[in-house]
Amino acid sequence: AQKVTQAQTEISVVEKEDVTLDCVYETRDTTYYLFWYKQPPSGELVFLIRRNSFDEQNEISGRYSWNFQKSTSSFNFTITASQVVDSAVYFCALSIYYGNKLVFGAGTILRVKS
Amino acid sequence: EAGVTQFPSHSVIEKGQTVTLRCDPISGHDNLYWYRRVMGKEIKFLLHFVKESKQDESGMPNNRFLAERTGGTYSTLKVQPAELEDSGVYFCASSPRTGATYNEQFFGPGTRLTVL
Repeated sequence: AQKVTQAQTEISVVEKEDVTLDCVYETRDTTYYLFWYKQPPSGELVFLIRRNSFDEQNEISGRYSWNFQKSTSSFNFTITASQVVDSAVYFCALSIYYGNKLVFGAGTILRVKS
Repeated sequence: EAGVTQFPSHSVIEKGQTVTLRCDPISGHDNLYWYRRVMGKEIKFLLHFVKESKQDESGMPNNRFLAERTGGTYSTLKVQPAELEDSGVYFCASSPRTGATYNEQFFGPGTRLTVL
C-alpha cells in the first residue's frame, strides 16, 4: 500500500521568508510518480509538479524548487521569498504507474503574512 | 479550453436525504476520477472511470454511494441516503488516455457537501 505523510499541518511565515514543505512517502513499487498540488482559497487543485521515481534531479521553477531524495523517501517543496499569494493548502501525492489513482497527504496550510 | 466543472458548488442536506453531484470532465478526457476530502484530512480516492467503465472502485466507502458515467462523458455521484460522515468536499478530476507517459489529472473546484 502507498502512503504520503505531510507532518506539517500549518505553517505561518512573513512575506519574503523562505519556507519548506515536507513530504514523506511510502511505497514498495519501484516505479512511481510524485506530485505537488496547490489549493488556493478558490478551491480547485492546481498541479505544480510531477517527478518519476527514476529522476532524482532537483527542479527549480521561479521561486519554487523541489528536492527529491529516494534515500529518505522524501519530496520536499521550497518556496523562496514567499508572497501573500502563496497562501494556500499544499498537497503532496503519489501514484504508481500511469492512469492510476493519486494517494494524497493530509495537506499543509501555508499562511504568508505581509 | 474549459476545465473540469462540478455542480453544485455547495450542497446542504438533511441526514437521510439523497444528493447527486455532477462532474463534467475536460472534453476528450477518457479518464475520470472522484476523490473526497473529509474534515481537513487527506484527499481520498473514490473511483476511476475509463470512458463509461469503472476501472477501479476500491475507494467507494459503501453501497450508499453510486457513481455513473453514461456515454463516457459527464459523471454523477449519488449518495443515498446521506449520513453525517459523508460531509466533505468531493473532487472530480480527468485526464486524457494515451499510451504515453503519465498524464496529469486536472481537478475541478469540488462540491462541498454538508449533511446536517
